[in-house]
Amino acid sequence: GAGVSQSPSNKVTEKGKDVELRCDPISGHTALYWYRQSLGQGLEFLIYFQGNSAPDKSGLPSDRFSAERTGGSVSTLTIQRTQQEDSAVYLCASSPGGGMGEKLFFGSGTQLSVL
Amino acid sequence: DAKTTQPNSMESNEEEPVHLPCNHSTISGTDYIHWYRQLPSQGPEYVIHGLTSNVNNRMASLAIAEDRKSSTLILHRATLRDAAVYYCILRSYGGSQGNLIFGKGTKLSVKP
Repeated sequence: GAGVSQSPSNKVTEKGKDVELRCDPISGHTALYWYRQSLGQGLEFLIYFQGNSAPDKSGLPSDRFSAERTGGSVSTLTIQRTQQEDSAVYLCASSPGGGMGEKLFFGSGTQLSVL
Repeated sequence: DAKTTQPNSMESNEEEPVHLPCNHSTISGTDYIHWYRQLPSQGPEYVIHGLTSNVNNRMASLAIAEDRKSSTLILHRATLRDAAVYYCILRSYGGSQGNLIFGKGTKLSVKP
């Protein structure tokens, strides 16, 4: 079956522009996570969706970042007025539910480059 | 949130066993121990997880100390493809950040 799909795989944008990154989780998975990873660094949590619960937005670095998840499936991460420090790989993951014994399935990420 | 401590890097020879340690001295009774790995230029992939008992799967084994304050990921015969960053993570209900906090991990190098 299909895994977690992210698009685009690469995005180059100019400073100040808005970008949208898309994540298609595995069908039926209710939990969805966004992370970002700067070059040579570990994963930085951004936001977590679980079913119909209010999302955990505690990792969003500024109000330029927002995310939504429509219909409990596809998620879009939006970065407004991009800055050079936003350059990173943005990773999405999903899991069947919120169980602590479940494993997460990650997408291949979107490489964002802000010039 | 409970934290984990791992060595920054380790080296192994191909076809030899590798033991990757993880300390989690503040673990609570309901914390699951998860291991993920990240190959170069890829997203992380699940390796194994456990709660109290040792676990085996086709990728690796997980040995959990009796007091659960440490665990060891065991790769029985390292291959060049196992070169990756290995993350040890604790998950528990009620934690922050989606109950999954990645640390810096251990970078494993495998020599032919």
